[in-house]
Amino acid sequence: AQKVTQAQTEISVVEKEDVTLDCVYETRDTTYYLFWYKQPPSGELVFLIRRNSFDEQNEISGRYSWNFQKSTSSFNFTITASQVVDSAVYFCALSEAGDDKIIFGKGTRLHILP
Amino acid sequence: DGGITQSPKYLFRKEGQNVTLSCEQNLNHDAMYWYRQDPGQGLRLIYYSQIVNDFQKGDIAEGYSVSREKKESFPLTVTSAQKNPTAFYLCASSVTSTYNEQFFGPGTRLTVL
Repeated sequence: AQKVTQAQTEISVVEKEDVTLDCVYETRDTTYYLFWYKQPPSGELVFLIRRNSFDEQNEISGRYSWNFQKSTSSFNFTITASQVVDSAVYFCALSEAGDDKIIFGKGTRLHILP
Repeated sequence: DGGITQSPKYLFRKEGQNVTLSCEQNLNHDAMYWYRQDPGQGLRLIYYSQIVNDFQKGDIAEGYSVSREKKESFPLTVTSAQKNPTAFYLCASSVTSTYNEQFFGPGTRLTVL
């Protein structure tokens, strides 16, 4: 069965610090997709990244970076030099091959303190 | 602008009344989804539709109903059979239902009094 675990329920850091959000997944498939979404206080989920299971290259987009490690079934998300606008709930998600659905983790609430 | 609209943003209903939440997309996406979000629970799938005139139950379909008569519209009815309807409801769509990222609407916060 597929499962996504975000063990950090809530994190608080001071602005400009780096912060890493953990995501561990479980799947029996060899082909799957992983996602990260951001939910700001307004409520709408914003898509951040999609990564397929055959591409283990780390990705960087501005202050955001993602570390995908199949050996540990993890897909961690790092924000460098955090800003107050990064305060949100972040969700990691998984979709297996041939499945119509995306399974979401329970989210990590990130507070960036000024 | 392309996107997903949900209306209204806030909705109040009396207990025992059915209520329909609207979701419209102009992204030409085939697949549409309804999620429920409760504090600390993440997102739970209620119903999804891969194509017009077809839909499937998600993990928590009891007490809800949907229709998909048009590609761009996927309304959700919260019936009186739903025991705890107060929640934040999110609609999403994707190009197809497999592998593709989902794009979300702004959500409707339903409060049943």
